[in-house]
Amino acid sequence: DAKTTQPNSMESNEEEPVHLPCNHSTISGTDYIHWYRQLPSQGPEYVIHGLTSNVNNRMASLAIAEDRKSSTLILHRATLRDAAVYYCILRAYSGAGSYQLTFGKGTKLSVIP
Amino acid sequence: DAGVTQSPTHLIKTRGQQVTLRCSPKSGHDTVSWYQQALGQGPQFIFQYYEEEERQRGNFPDRFSGHQFPNYSSELNVNALLLGDSALYLCASSRGEGQGYGFNQPQHFGDGTRLSIL
Repeated sequence: DAKTTQPNSMESNEEEPVHLPCNHSTISGTDYIHWYRQLPSQGPEYVIHGLTSNVNNRMASLAIAEDRKSSTLILHRATLRDAAVYYCILRAYSGAGSYQLTFGKGTKLSVIP
Repeated sequence: DAGVTQSPTHLIKTRGQQVTLRCSPKSGHDTVSWYQQALGQGPQFIFQYYEEEERQRGNFPDRFSGHQFPNYSSELNVNALLLGDSALYLCASSRGEGQGYGFNQPQHFGDGTRLSIL
């Protein structure tokens, strides 16, 4: 699987925007970029995914570089509930069923009140 | 609508014993994946079940086995437990791709079973 690189940790003030970067320089043309987050004492939670175009949903926005070698997850107004570990994942599809997720260590986001 | 449920939430075993963990997928989901998460690490893929068969497997020994039932629920079995098997075991469910639901269906995770080996 193509690898991703994320900062170990980031801090943000509450109610300010947060930009979480991810580098994936070896991404292939068919790799989708997925983001999941894991709140303390919970299982991971799907956030957003994309292929080439920028994507928006109720939780976040995903900005993908034109060469697809990097992407940025944008939380428009951080809340205390957004404090979590954020994982950037390139999905590998292997046939019938669903895809497997290859998690790295992610970025631990702290939100300061 | 219940999400993914896992049981038990916590479990303590000793080395050499065997353990069975259970997972009920979210309603409408037919694919179940299992992950192991050691303290301070990201989850690691163990295997995935679809149509009652193991479809994909990560880099885990044969001591780790599983099963999927006709109602799509699943079990993870670990034999000959080692101290290193202490971890949070996560179950994720999703809709199988190629079934008309499209690709990249989100995986929904349960909150896991915390397994401690003494």
